[in-house]
Amino acid sequence: GENVEQHPSTLSVQEGDSAVIKCTYSDSASNYFPWYKQELGKRPQLIIDIRSNVGEKKDQRIAVTLNKTAKHFSLHITETQPEDSAVYFCAARTNGQNFVFGPGTRLSVLP
Amino acid sequence: NAGVTQTPKFRVLKTGQSMTLLCAQDMNHEYMYWYRQDPGMGLRLIHYSVGEGTTAKGEVPDGYNVSRLKKQNFLLGLESAAPSQTSVYFCASSYSLAGQSPFFGPGTRLTVL
Repeated sequence: GENVEQHPSTLSVQEGDSAVIKCTYSDSASNYFPWYKQELGKRPQLIIDIRSNVGEKKDQRIAVTLNKTAKHFSLHITETQPEDSAVYFCAARTNGQNFVFGPGTRLSVLP
Repeated sequence: NAGVTQTPKFRVLKTGQSMTLLCAQDMNHEYMYWYRQDPGMGLRLIHYSVGEGTTAKGEVPDGYNVSRLKKQNFLLGLESAAPSQTSVYFCASSYSLAGQSPFFGPGTRLTVL
């Protein structure tokens, strides 16, 4: 079945700097890749997603890139702010119609 | 619209007790999922359903059962709770169309003593 790895597990950046989180997946049939942000004690919430027929997608300070050949995709956050501090999860939608999540990255934005 | 709701929000069980977690969604989603979240392990799929009356096993199904008798409800049962089932349980739902991400409920924190 699908396996999703995510790195790094923790990431600290200075406010205003950029943050990059990388995920790799194993199943070449996976075709949709959402990213979630989870604040402490809250539910995971979708922040951006990308389909397998697109290489890059941007939404204000957030962007996601996908390399289908290498089977990896990345989340880029620019001009980080303290409110970006949270745990971020990547996921891959498998051929079996379910979603497999990475283990998460704890991002801390230091003022 | 309430979105996805979960009942109860918190629960403490003793080893061997049983319980049912209820998930309800009012978005007319076809797919529903149960995940458990443990520190450092992300969200692991327990069971999922692609439509009313259907269920399928996920990554960690042992010790759990599910039922989807109505499209809007997805129940997760623990027949004989074990301390290893202490976790936060999230229900989620989505449309069946490609490119539709799961929408999560608020979670249920379960402690098994």
